[in-house]
Amino acid sequence: QKEVEQDPGPLSVPEGAIVSLNCTYSNSAFQYFMWYRQYSRKGPELLMYTYSSGNKEDGRFTAQVDKSSKYISLFIRDSQPSDSATYLCAMTVSGTYKYIFGTGTRLKVLA
Amino acid sequence: NAGVTQTPKFQVLKTGQSMTLQCAQDMNHEYMSWYRQDPGMGLRLIHYSVGAGITDQGEVPNGYNVSRSTTEDFPLRLLSAAPSQTSVYFCASSYSKGTTNEKLFFGSGTQLSVL
Repeated sequence: QKEVEQDPGPLSVPEGAIVSLNCTYSNSAFQYFMWYRQYSRKGPELLMYTYSSGNKEDGRFTAQVDKSSKYISLFIRDSQPSDSATYLCAMTVSGTYKYIFGTGTRLKVLA
Repeated sequence: NAGVTQTPKFQVLKTGQSMTLQCAQDMNHEYMSWYRQDPGMGLRLIHYSVGAGITDQGEVPNGYNVSRSTTEDFPLRLLSAAPSQTSVYFCASSYSKGTTNEKLFFGSGTQLSVL
């Protein structure tokens, strides 16, 4: 069993829809949780970064962490075709210097 | 500000050849790392470094060597390339202070094919 599980998709939604992307994990020691966006043939870029549990909002993006369920989510409101990309979750334990990534979910937003 | 720069962008090798993937960052980051990305496997950590002269193994280190002689550079060496090393390689860095690990900044990747 992988430490971090993520549905690979692809997930296709119409423009303007609310998108929900999720990851589950097994290591309760994870403290830092991140979401990266990766366009085709590009390096991942950081979207959201949260520490421990709770919600964090940045524009159209909201990240949620539920440590009791070992579940993290990324919500995208008013999705745009430019949001079409692969979204990777990542997490780490402070001081270990090792980030564990999910396999990524491919998202397609249809105009 | 260039960020994390990787060279080359593409490379084709024959089995048994050696080569070095270059990575440089200009953000004065202490932490640097190498990942490989394969379909269905996500990003897997190969080696990492928390400062000049300090390196450690990640999840998939076999067949790869690294060194960190300066803060800016972190080259990845393939001593004898194998087809199983065909992948996209990413270098990433972060500002790491004490035991607090900060967010990673990625380079644009090197696509490597081993025939």
